[in-house]
Amino acid sequence: QSVLTQPPSASGTPGQRVTISCSGSGSNVGSKFVSWYQQLPGTAPKLLIHSNHQRPAGVPDRFSGSKSGTSASLAISGLQSEDEAVYSCASWDGTLNGWVFGGGTKLTVL
Amino acid sequence: QVQLVQSGAEVKKPGASVKVSCRASGYTFINYDFNWVRQATGQGLEWMGWMSPKTGDTGYGQKFQGRVTMTRNTSINTAYMELSSLTSEDTAVYYCARGPPGGEIHDWGRGTLVTVSS
Repeated sequence: QSVLTQPPSASGTPGQRVTISCSGSGSNVGSKFVSWYQQLPGTAPKLLIHSNHQRPAGVPDRFSGSKSGTSASLAISGLQSEDEAVYSCASWDGTLNGWVFGGGTKLTVL
Repeated sequence: QVQLVQSGAEVKKPGASVKVSCRASGYTFINYDFNWVRQATGQGLEWMGWMSPKTGDTGYGQKFQGRVTMTRNTSINTAYMELSSLTSEDTAVYYCARGPPGGEIHDWGRGTLVTVSS
């Protein structure tokens, strides 16, 4: 199983706001940056959020990230059908000396 | 723009090795670290290790220690990942991905499907 814990699924209707959680520990999320990736079906991951809450150029401001303690969250507002994807969180783990990922959350837009 | 172009799909027998390449363009090759991440069908992302193309320094995930080797050829801006002693559990899509030294993973290749089957 994955070092970071995410819910396996989430859903929302168009226009709604959804939040996806990512739970870790003091050796990763609690002390290191968190990033979030979007993976559309059959494609490679795409960086959505880095450094806990920073958006790369081109990522809509509907996507936002936050972190508190050993948990992080990705929020998507104004949900659109094209947001249907798997979202994964990642963080460096200072004990394992490597990147660790969440198992991914499949977002369904109803 | 940044491009990471990976080699094509591979089919290997158990016990064999596979070497996947990742050719970079659109930026200065030695200024960003490479990470290799794999994903089995329907599963989450699994980090395998990182390599500095500037120094050749590497760091491997515990699970892959002794079985994975990451190298590079700076003259052709290409990074490589070789995985040995393959089993069916190694069947997955293998991604190369780059990020700033010590920083988060930003850009990903399209992935290379490696199938291990007798």
